[in-house]
Amino acid sequence: DQQVKQNSPSLSVQEGRISILNCDYTNSMFDYFLWYKKYPAEGPTFLISISSIKDKNEDGRFTVFLNKSAKHLSLHIVPSQPGDSAVYFCAASAPDDSWGKLQFGAGTQVVVTP
Amino acid sequence: EPEVTQTPSHQVTQMGQEVILRCVPISNHLYFYWYRQILGQKVEFLVSFYNNEISEKSEIFDDQFSVERPDGSNFTLKIRSTKLEDSAMYFCASSEARELLSNSPLHFGNGTRLTVT
Repeated sequence: DQQVKQNSPSLSVQEGRISILNCDYTNSMFDYFLWYKKYPAEGPTFLISISSIKDKNEDGRFTVFLNKSAKHLSLHIVPSQPGDSAVYFCAASAPDDSWGKLQFGAGTQVVVTP
Repeated sequence: EPEVTQTPSHQVTQMGQEVILRCVPISNHLYFYWYRQILGQKVEFLVSFYNNEISEKSEIFDDQFSVERPDGSNFTLKIRSTKLEDSAMYFCASSEARELLSNSPLHFGNGTRLTVT
């Protein structure tokens, strides 16, 4: 059941440059989207979210863009820092789902090189 | 910053044995969850819990699984008779509010790695 897809398993980016992570979804009922970051041996940490009534949300170096017609969202990290090296998960929820039931993508491993 | 804590960090058990994974959610949170991630696969929802009862459970959460909030602070996941395919990282999470808002996302613990031999 691949409702949330992250087709790039890995991304390498130079420090200071922009990281762009992509996520596609198939369920048109999804109305809330989140990005989580995960370091090895730790749990996912919330980064940023967006409701389907918006097409952009910004928080510091992180911006999430939502294109509902394309069922696509992306996370931009500018500028990328070495501490951003982690696995990034896209997640989504639908109004019919119970609270906190998230569908996760497979994750994208980001490596920020000096 | 308050955090969700999980114990143990690693549990090894033999097939057929019962295991209990423990979690202490953030103290003012009212909604609790278990997720799991089998090695190389996605993070998957198992169960949500509110007001001392299950709100929703996934197909994975069969009769072998149960959850409990035995006191005011702990939240446990029990697997009655473990199978090899139960080997995974199990994450506990909690949230403050019912709606998933930017100020009330799920907060995850660091997980318990369960290895069934």
